[in-house]
Amino acid sequence: KQEVTQIPAALSVPEGENLVLNCSFTDSAIYNLQWFRQDPGKGLTSLLLIQSSQREQTSGRLNASLDKSSGRSTLYIAASQPGDSATYLCAVTLYGNNRLAFGKGNQVVVIP
Amino acid sequence: KAGVTQTPRYLIKTRGQQVTLSCSPISGHRSVSWYQQTPGQGLQFLFEYFSETQRNKGNFPGRFSGRQFSNSRSEMNVSTLELGDSALYLCASSRQDNYGYTFGSGTRLTVV
Repeated sequence: KQEVTQIPAALSVPEGENLVLNCSFTDSAIYNLQWFRQDPGKGLTSLLLIQSSQREQTSGRLNASLDKSSGRSTLYIAASQPGDSATYLCAVTLYGNNRLAFGKGNQVVVIP
Repeated sequence: KAGVTQTPRYLIKTRGQQVTLSCSPISGHRSVSWYQQTPGQGLQFLFEYFSETQRNKGNFPGRFSGRQFSNSRSEMNVSTLELGDSALYLCASSRQDNYGYTFGSGTRLTVV
């Protein structure tokens, strides 16, 4: 069974600082890994999708890396802003398994 | 381009009742998945449908069921509601297998 872990559960950073969020997974036979953002009481917004053959993906201030051999992914958010305050969720899909296995998320607060 | 639409947004039901939630995927997306989100358990996979067929099912009791129609719209049903069924129910659609998922805003179900 795929286990996905995100540590720490919560963190606060001052505005302008770079954010580094970590995700680890136990089964390296993943098809892809997806990072999502969730605002309180809302649905999930997809941020980045990394296929298993890729090492990283970038979108604006966001960069996500994937190291399948070590079972890790890192989401970097450059120059954080108060609007980045949200919960960030990491999810993996195994080969031949059309379901997402989620971590519990990193709850981020960016302090103005 | 319309996103994933879930209705209703909020529901309050009494223990023992049943409920039906609806999900309209993005046009052209044939895979629809359902997830339950609670503070304690996080996001858990319920089931996935593709071309009207259930392909995957999570570890939930038989009170949870679903179906998909020929236009890819999906419904999930929960019978004999329990207090523990109170959660945010999220629907996600995908264009093709393991291509990344787009989520709806969810249905907040409260069982009293």
